[in-house]
Amino acid sequence: GEDVEQSLFLSVREGDSSVINCTYTDSSSTYLYWYKQEPGAGLQLLTYIFSNMDMKQDQRLTVLLNKKDKHLSLRIADTQTGDSAIYFCAESQLSLSGKLIFGQGTTLQVKP
Amino acid sequence: DTGVSQNPRHKITKRGQNVTFRCDPISEHNRLYWYRQTLGQGPEFLTYFQNEAQLEKSRLLSDRFSAERPKGSFSTLEIQRTEQGDSAMYLCASSDSGEGNEQFFGPGTRLTVL
Repeated sequence: GEDVEQSLFLSVREGDSSVINCTYTDSSSTYLYWYKQEPGAGLQLLTYIFSNMDMKQDQRLTVLLNKKDKHLSLRIADTQTGDSAIYFCAESQLSLSGKLIFGQGTTLQVKP
Repeated sequence: DTGVSQNPRHKITKRGQNVTFRCDPISEHNRLYWYRQTLGQGPEFLTYFQNEAQLEKSRLLSDRFSAERPKGSFSTLEIQRTEQGDSAMYLCASSDSGEGNEQFFGPGTRLTVL
């Protein structure tokens, strides 16, 4: 079946790097995504990676995918207080509806 | 603003009443999705439209729930005979089915059933 799991909480100091981890079970996933949700706000798509890629970098964000272990991570360099939010990992199969299967979210707390 | 919009933003209703939510996707996005999010959880898929055709429904979508997208543009989600367990944030997303099928989410409608 489809399942996505994340650790619930991460606390870092401003300026440090943050690494948020995610595991998924569906080996036929086509794309994997990271979304950010701030309090009272909607979901913001940060980045996504195609399942045949190992890494994708976008400014301060680096996504690493280990397809063998079904492990996805999001690294945020030089973490700022504005990065404090809930981060959701999601996977989908584009050959079907493309619906997203989300993890339960990781709350990132950035201390000044 | 050309993003996904949802109305109303908040809805408080009494148990047993019917409610209807509206989603206006990004123009020319042919795919539209509804999700439900409860406190402390990630969003859960409810249903999916490709243009006006409803192509997939989750087992979460009981027969009290119905969704439409009559002209392939805006969509409505109706809940009949609401129950307290229906209290949640209802999210709408749209995509153009291009590379990555990037889904852009609206702000959501928060439903409270008393």
